[in-house]
Amino acid sequence: NAGVTQTPKFRILKIGQSMTLQCTQDMNHNYMYWYRQDPGMGLKLIYYSVGAGITDKGEVPNGYNVSRSTTEDFPLRLELAAPSQTSVYFCASTSDRGNQPQHFGDGTRLSIL
Amino acid sequence: AQSVAQPEDQVNVAEGNPLTVKCTYSVSGNPYLFWYVQYPNRGLQFLLKYITGDNLVKGSYGFEAEFNKSQTSFHLKKPSALVSDSALYFCAVRDKGGSYIPTFGRGTSLIVHP
Repeated sequence: NAGVTQTPKFRILKIGQSMTLQCTQDMNHNYMYWYRQDPGMGLKLIYYSVGAGITDKGEVPNGYNVSRSTTEDFPLRLELAAPSQTSVYFCASTSDRGNQPQHFGDGTRLSIL
Repeated sequence: AQSVAQPEDQVNVAEGNPLTVKCTYSVSGNPYLFWYVQYPNRGLQFLLKYITGDNLVKGSYGFEAEFNKSQTSFHLKKPSALVSDSALYFCAVRDKGGSYIPTFGRGTSLIVHP
């Protein structure tokens, strides 16, 4: 099993550009999450999804959008990149059983210049 | 509401010595508690969890954690540290009766000196 796969691993964007961070999982998990990690700040939840067609905002959703058309895929969209969005982005998934841990991808390192 | 505190930004320990990484939590009901480890340029990896039952939980790579309900703590421990244990460690909590959104601590950097 590949688990959670994120692409690309690295990206540099110019201010105002847009891009989509891809996330796919092969574990048939209904729950998927997007986090950003900034140094010393832990993980901040951007968006999450409890199943195909259902998404909801986390604590820092501004400047981002998501969609969930399939169980496997949960892309994160940046429409107008800003320097404050420079961060490392992690996608995670978990099963419906509430006592299970999250599985994380290896992240996308994004710089906005 | 739920919250997690990792009071130490960094823990330094000599190789071969025991290590402890501290975590305290707050939930309205009963907790699910998790420890994760993050190596450089990698995602978080699951180490161990407390669901119910024995207060001492054993996990991967020789790590264990002790659930203390009265002190609302879930400290991560290892009897003998290795240099390869150097990494960033995250504690997370989820209320059993709540949503599927865990709350993470800010992380503790563990540095094991040779």
